[in-house]
Amino acid sequence: DIQMTQSPSTLSASVGDRVTITCRASQSIGSRLAWYQQKPGKAPNLLIYKASSLETGVPSRFSGSGSGTEFTLTISSLQPEDFAGYYCQHYNDYLVTFGQGTKVEVK
Amino acid sequence: QLQESGPGLVKPSETLSLTCTVSRGSVSKYYWSWIRQPPGKGLEWVGHIYYSVSSSIYNPSLTSRVTISVDTSKNQFSLKVTSVTAADTAVYYCARGIDCGGGSCYITWGQGTLVTVSS
Repeated sequence: DIQMTQSPSTLSASVGDRVTITCRASQSIGSRLAWYQQKPGKAPNLLIYKASSLETGVPSRFSGSGSGTEFTLTISSLQPEDFAGYYCQHYNDYLVTFGQGTKVEVK
Repeated sequence: QLQESGPGLVKPSETLSLTCTVSRGSVSKYYWSWIRQPPGKGLEWVGHIYYSVSSSIYNPSLTSRVTISVDTSKNQFSLKVTSVTAADTAVYYCARGIDCGGGSCYITWGQGTLVTVSS
């Protein structure tokens, strides 16, 4: 099975910071990767799909990059509403796997 | 657009049953999925069904205990997990997936429902 490993598990940052979260796959997955944001007590919200495609309505400060085994989610200038949990998700025709999550907290 | 319903408390060894009602759109297209999240932990994909090709796939760690089905007459889809234990305690989300290029990502989610397994 393909394992997805996110780092860091927790990230402390301030408003205006550039933030980068990494997701590594245990084997090559091409561009079959999505990113979600989850706020406490709420369902996740899709940010990025196909590694770098921005979902409609998602602010442009969010961006995704990578292919193969290493992927990044970048928030170019952290806003107060961005303090939340973030998950990567690998998908293929047979399986869906989530990373363990990254919490972005106030520094 | 998606609303989970079902018991919030299930006894160990019994069957967990949840239903997701789709208020907009038809269950005859898209991927229909269940994803769960134990308290304070990360997301775990349970499985999904792609109705138009009658194809369902499940998390390998759960496949022997899980069934996802669709009822087109009620525009609902359902989850059954048999022989539950405390490890099945989680918030269960239903979600609608689209093809994101070789598989499904999830664009619409229910609000989630907490299911506790306890005697």
